Amino acid sequence: AQSVTQLDSHVSVSEGTPVLLRCNYSSSYSPSLFWYVQHPNKGLQLLLKYTSAATLVKGINGFEAEFKKSETSFHLTKPSAHMSDAAEYFCVVTAQEYNNDMRFGAGTRLTVKP
Amino acid sequence: EPEVTQTPSHQVTQMGQEVILRCVPISNHLYFYWYRQILGQKVEFLVSFYNNEISEKSEIFDDQFSVERPDGSNFTLKIRSTKLEDSAMYFCASSPGTGNSPLHFGNGTRLTVT
Repeated sequence: AQSVTQLDSHVSVSEGTPVLLRCNYSSSYSPSLFWYVQHPNKGLQLLLKYTSAATLVKGINGFEAEFKKSETSFHLTKPSAHMSDAAEYFCVVTAQEYNNDMRFGAGTRLTVKP
Repeated sequence: EPEVTQTPSHQVTQMGQEVILRCVPISNHLYFYWYRQILGQKVEFLVSFYNNEISEKSEIFDDQFSVERPDGSNFTLKIRSTKLEDSAMYFCASSPGTGNSPLHFGNGTRLTVT
């Protein structure tokens, strides 16, 4: 089974509208979950992380994500999209069963229309 | 803020040649990683390195690959005899610990094998 599944390969929103990037994970143990963003020709930048503390996690640039164990989800949201948010977003899980190595989702490309 | 730096940003080589990709991790980090991302595909784990030895490696990391920390600052990935399918973006990452410690990524080296 996939360790992490990003349900949408491409999401397009208008500037100023909400963003929802979906992620489901698979883990028998208590996972740590991350969202990374990759702008064109740039490296991977950490947006936020969940590590068994508060289930609602706030990150940089106004993004947040909620860990829902019952749904095995860790969706990324932002109330109002900005043009600079256009990038590739990766949901990442690490857990004991993966030898604590990071397992990446396939990525979601976010396009923001003016 | 300290960064992971990778050189070169783009490397072009001929099939069968050896390449060395270089990385300078964040200075007080103890764990080092290489990931790769073939164009249009997901980010894949290659290898992790701790205490001067490989701690984990994926199926991709076969005998053609090797890693080294030749001094106190550099962390290198060597591909002994490159193949066309080695063309990808290679990311170096480091972290202070395992488990819920996020990885800090470099900007990547784009390797093109012709």
